[in-house]
Amino acid sequence: GENVEQHPSTLSVQEGDSAVIKCTYSDSASNYFPWYKQELGKRPQLIIDIRSNVGEKKDQRIAVTLNKTAKHFSLHITETQPEDSAVYFCAAITGGFKTIFGAGTRLFVKA
Amino acid sequence: EAGVTQFPSHSVIEKGQTVTLRCDPISGHDNLYWYRRVMGKEIKFLLHFVKESKQDESGMPNNRFLAERTGGTYSTLKVQPAELEDSGVYFCASSQIKGQGYTFGSGTRLTVV
Repeated sequence: GENVEQHPSTLSVQEGDSAVIKCTYSDSASNYFPWYKQELGKRPQLIIDIRSNVGEKKDQRIAVTLNKTAKHFSLHITETQPEDSAVYFCAAITGGFKTIFGAGTRLFVKA
Repeated sequence: EAGVTQFPSHSVIEKGQTVTLRCDPISGHDNLYWYRRVMGKEIKFLLHFVKESKQDESGMPNNRFLAERTGGTYSTLKVQPAELEDSGVYFCASSQIKGQGYTFGSGTRLTVV
């Protein structure tokens, strides 16, 4: 069935370092890949997204890359700050317009 | 613009009881989705409404779950009778365009004891 695998489940980095979260998806018809950030006790919020016709997208300190052939996409956060600490979810919109989420990555940024 | 509103924010019920969760999407968003996150696991799709019609309910776990969206505005998700494994955070999300990035509600944390 359709699924999205996300790694790592937990990531701890020092403030100022980079963080990378990786996801793979199974439905080759997927064409839209959003990333959500959920801070403790708050709702998931869309932080960046990428479409299948683009290989990379950047927004200040965050970037997302997509390899359609390998069905991989990744989130890169540079110069991490304590306020980046949260759970990050990747997702893929399948050909049937269903959003499938990864299991989440809990990011800790140590000051 | 008001966001997606869900209530209650928390609910603790006993096994066998009934609970109804409510979601008010962003005004004008025809697409409304229900998702559930069980502790430490992925946010799992339950169902998708387009206006008042169920577009996809393939994620509904069983017939103890009933979702409605009368009039194409707010939606309710009823669990009857609740079981222990129904515990989790139930998120509602809405979008203007099908399949695009969602706006999530704050979720309802359901605990069945």
